[in-house]
Amino acid sequence: DQQVKQNSPSLSVQEGRISILNCDYTNSMFDYFLWYKKYPAEGPTFLISISSIKDKNEDGRFTVFLNKSAKHLSLHIVPSQPGDSAVYFCAAREEYGNKLVFGAGTILRVKS
Amino acid sequence: NAGVTQTPKFRVLKTGQSMTLLCAQDMNHEYMYWYRQDPGMGLRLIHYSVGEGTTAKGEVPDGYNVSRLKKQNFLLGLESAAPSQTSVYFCASSYVDRWIRPNQPQHFGDGTRLSIL
Repeated sequence: DQQVKQNSPSLSVQEGRISILNCDYTNSMFDYFLWYKKYPAEGPTFLISISSIKDKNEDGRFTVFLNKSAKHLSLHIVPSQPGDSAVYFCAAREEYGNKLVFGAGTILRVKS
Repeated sequence: NAGVTQTPKFRVLKTGQSMTLLCAQDMNHEYMYWYRQDPGMGLRLIHYSVGEGTTAKGEVPDGYNVSRLKKQNFLLGLESAAPSQTSVYFCASSYVDRWIRPNQPQHFGDGTRLSIL
């Protein structure tokens, strides 16, 4: 019973174009959502987050969108760069909780 | 800045052997976590701690024990290793302030790759 789902195992994008990574969740008690980036042989690195009271958060080339009614969030990377090639994990936290639930991850490949 | 440090980085065990994975953080974080990552399954929470001397079970706690004797250290133990425990183990820590800064990310170490034969 996966509460956080990343339905695309992989995504390939041309350098300079937009990368869109998607994440769906089922638990309506989630109030905080995060994206992590992971390179091989390294730990996940925090990328960007969004609170459930917002529908958009930007940080440079990275933007996260939250659609609460659809229980869907997405990460947009514009423009995509070869260094963005990594595994991206979506994670969610329950209101008043301290534990994260992770999706299975999406492998992003940015081709130069 | 060291952040979260995990030791060892790699280890091979035989079935039935025991070992302890060490996690140390230098950010004065209250909360610490142990996860395992398996192919196609993302990260799953094994145990966590909300402060020195406290521990709690996560999603997949069976076969593991933990201890938090010092605020900066969180130990994960395997008493009798099984092949199903072959995985990459990640430790994380986070700052918690529910009133002023309630939303804080977890910070991860680089992992321990554990193989059990």
